Amino acid sequence: AQKVTQAQTEISVVEKEDVTLDCVYETRDTTYYLFWYKQPPSGELVFLIRRNSFDEQNEISGRYSWNFQKSTSSFNFTITASQVVDSAVYFCALSELRRKAAGNKLTFGGGTRVLVKP
Amino acid sequence: DVKVTQSSRYLVKRTGEKVFLECVQDMDHENMFWYRQDPGLGLRLIYFSYDVKMKEKGDIPEGYSVSREKKERFSLILESASTNQTSMYLCASSLSGGTASNQPQHFGDGTRLSIL
Repeated sequence: AQKVTQAQTEISVVEKEDVTLDCVYETRDTTYYLFWYKQPPSGELVFLIRRNSFDEQNEISGRYSWNFQKSTSSFNFTITASQVVDSAVYFCALSELRRKAAGNKLTFGGGTRVLVKP
Repeated sequence: DVKVTQSSRYLVKRTGEKVFLECVQDMDHENMFWYRQDPGLGLRLIYFSYDVKMKEKGDIPEGYSVSREKKERFSLILESASTNQTSMYLCASSLSGGTASNQPQHFGDGTRLSIL
């Protein structure tokens, strides 16, 4: 069975500090996708990034960066120079490879709450 | 932008009632999902549907059923609500196509359901 572990339940930082969120996953699939979502206080989950299992290049998008290491089954997320608006719950998720017509099931980690203080 | 709309943000019901949670998406997505979110447990999949009238059980289907009569609408039904079903419920939708597993899911704002 697939499993996603986000060991940090809550992280508190002061604005402008960097913060790294850990994500470790388990799967028997050789092809899979990993996702990060942000859930601000309003409640809606916002898609941030998708990464497939064959692409281990790190990715940077503005103040966000992601480090995918297949050897350690980790897909960590760093926010550089954090801002108050980054305060949210962040979820890592793993997609199960299914037949085309059957949709994509996601397995979510427990989430990490990030609190950025001014 | 994809819009996933859940009918209620907050709902209070009594034990034993039959409860309907409605979800509508406007982007012609084939796949729709219902999750519940509880502190420390992340999101857990209740049911999903990959086509009209098609449904599959997720990880925690007990006590729930679903209905998908039209492509844009996916309903979650609590047949006889119990207090342990108090939770945040999130609906999502996604495209199917290519390798289905790579399509991001788009979420609604959630319904916070309290069963008294």
